[in-house]
Order: sequence, then structure tokens, then C-alpha cells
Amino acid sequence: AQRVTQPEKLLSVFKGAPVELKCNYSYSGSPELFWYVQYSRQRLQLLLRHISRESIKGFTADLNKGETSFHLKKPFAQEEDSAMYYCAAGGTSYGKLTFGQGTILTVHP
Amino acid sequence: SQTIHQWPATLVQPVGSPLSLECTVEGTSNPNLYWYRQAAGRGLQLLFYSVGIGQISSEVPQNLSASRPQDRQFILSSKKLLLSDSGFYLCAWSVEDRKTQYFGPGTRLLVL
Repeated sequence: AQRVTQPEKLLSVFKGAPVELKCNYSYSGSPELFWYVQYSRQRLQLLLRHISRESIKGFTADLNKGETSFHLKKPFAQEEDSAMYYCAAGGTSYGKLTFGQGTILTVHP
Repeated sequence: SQTIHQWPATLVQPVGSPLSLECTVEGTSNPNLYWYRQAAGRGLQLLFYSVGIGQISSEVPQNLSASRPQDRQFILSSKKLLLSDSGFYLCAWSVEDRKTQYFGPGTRLLVL
């Protein structure tokens, strides 16, 4: 069965510190990987997807097929990065995504 | 541009009452549509998805049902609500062959 695991429910860092949100997946085939973010009082929105190989708001995510991981990283966290982050994986079936349980990131001043 | 709407934003219902949550999408045709429940500590759980009018697939057996009476309308229903149906319900859409999903603002349901 497809599964996405985010081992940390809560993650706290100080402003300017590096941050890494972990994501591991168990998926048949070659899934597409995503990170979604939900800021306070805003709707869930796409942060980045691995096939785009882009950096959004200073965040990057590297797909490691050997370790089946897709960790989200930012070298210098900002207070406005405080949010709920979801990792998701999708196969070929009707665009369905499997989401992890989410990590609440808090960046302290 | 595409937009997705959900209503109501908040709903408080007694146990045993019926439920109808509505989701509509604008600016796209024949989208895939999804209903999720977001519960604290449990992440996003896919409840239903639809690839076309009248086509509904259920991911999790439960007290809820879904319908798609029009191309861009997706409805989540229940005949009799349970306490365990409380949660935050999200509707999302995607375009065929692309997996990025776009989410609505959500409906917070409290069953008392």
C-alpha cells in the first residue's frame, strides 16, 4: 500500500537556523512527490513538486530514490515559514495523492 | 483563472442530522475532484474522488457519500451525522494527467 511518512509532528527552530522537514514514502512505481503548505488561516497550497526541480521561498527538496525520501530543506528559516507542511506522493491513478500526517513548523524570533 | 469554492465555511450540526457540503470549481472543464478530511494528528485522508459527472469512487467506508451532479460541482453528504464525522473537510481539483491538486478553503464541521 502507498504510504507517506512524516516522522515529526512538531518542529521548532530559531530564525536564521537551517530547517529540514523529513518525508519518506513507500510507493509502487515511480511516484511524483510534492510538498504542500498551509499557513495560518490560509488554504492548503502547493509549495513545490520534485519534477519542477525548483526552489520556492528558499525551500528545496531532493528526491532520494535509494532512501525513498523527499526531505524539504531551507538554509535560513524565517518567521513567516511557520506553517503546517504536508508531503504527498501521487501515482498514475486518477491524480490521487497520498498525504503524510503533516509537520507543524514553528520558527521562533 | 481557476478558482474553487466551498460552503458553508463553518457548520454545527446535531448528531443524527443530515449533511450537505458543496464544492464548485470555476475556470476549468472536466476536472478530477476530491474530498478530504483533515483531522488533527491524522493528516489528510482522501474520502472520495471523481473523474467525471456521476462517477464517484470511495476510498474509505464511512457514514458519508458524495455526488457529482454537474461537471464542476461536488457534494459531500450524510443522512445521519455521527460525532466522529466532526472535522475539517477539504475539496480539491486537478487536471487530468497532472497531479497537482488545488484546494478550497475548507468547511469546519462540528457534530454535537
